[in-house]
Amino acid sequence: GENVEQHPSTLSVQEGDSAVIKCTYSDSASNYFPWYKQELGKRPQLIIDIRSNVGEKKDQRIAVTLNKTAKHFSLHITETQPEDSAVYFCAAPPGGGSTLGRLYFGRGTQLTVWP
Amino acid sequence: DAGVTQSPTHLIKTRGQQVTLRCSPKSGHDTVSWYQQALGQGPQFIFQYYEEEERQRGNFPDRFSGHQFPNYSSELNVNALLLGDSALYLCASSLNRGHTQYFGPGTRLTVL
Repeated sequence: GENVEQHPSTLSVQEGDSAVIKCTYSDSASNYFPWYKQELGKRPQLIIDIRSNVGEKKDQRIAVTLNKTAKHFSLHITETQPEDSAVYFCAAPPGGGSTLGRLYFGRGTQLTVWP
Repeated sequence: DAGVTQSPTHLIKTRGQQVTLRCSPKSGHDTVSWYQQALGQGPQFIFQYYEEEERQRGNFPDRFSGHQFPNYSSELNVNALLLGDSALYLCASSLNRGHTQYFGPGTRLTVL
């Protein structure tokens, strides 16, 4: 994406381990940070999102943390399962009301969970 | 509750031809954004339609155009196709131009 950096590009973990994917953004006015999961040949699926007035959000085995000062946010998956294997994308909007609904995406992280 | 739908699923065209892709937003949504996803890349914003007007545009040439209908469905048109236009074209819908967007299954366009 134009101003969203994502790493690592690939991540392999053993089933049951945790996985962490990190993204940085450049526009300090960005206020919404979603994560999408895309399985091979399927649509990107929104799995969790966080707004800039919150530091952390959890949904079962997944969580997102946001550090506004450092301008980075991370996806945490605990107790990974083989079905978590997919490409994960982070995204962020540019700041400013004129850009409502526009998202810049990272280049993606291929997560592989080995049984 | 119907999700975002797109048609066709796949399309093969030759250079120079024109193509039209279609999208119906999630029930209750009024905003459609189009993205291009090249192989191995994240989606790239093409443009957004709200209240039947193009509201924002990404860094794409004028060969890319669109339309939104009164029922909120949308079309993406690409003229004078180039080999580099081969990609997965995704539409995403949201409510009132909100950032929370839900994607359709995409149209895989191959230009030969």
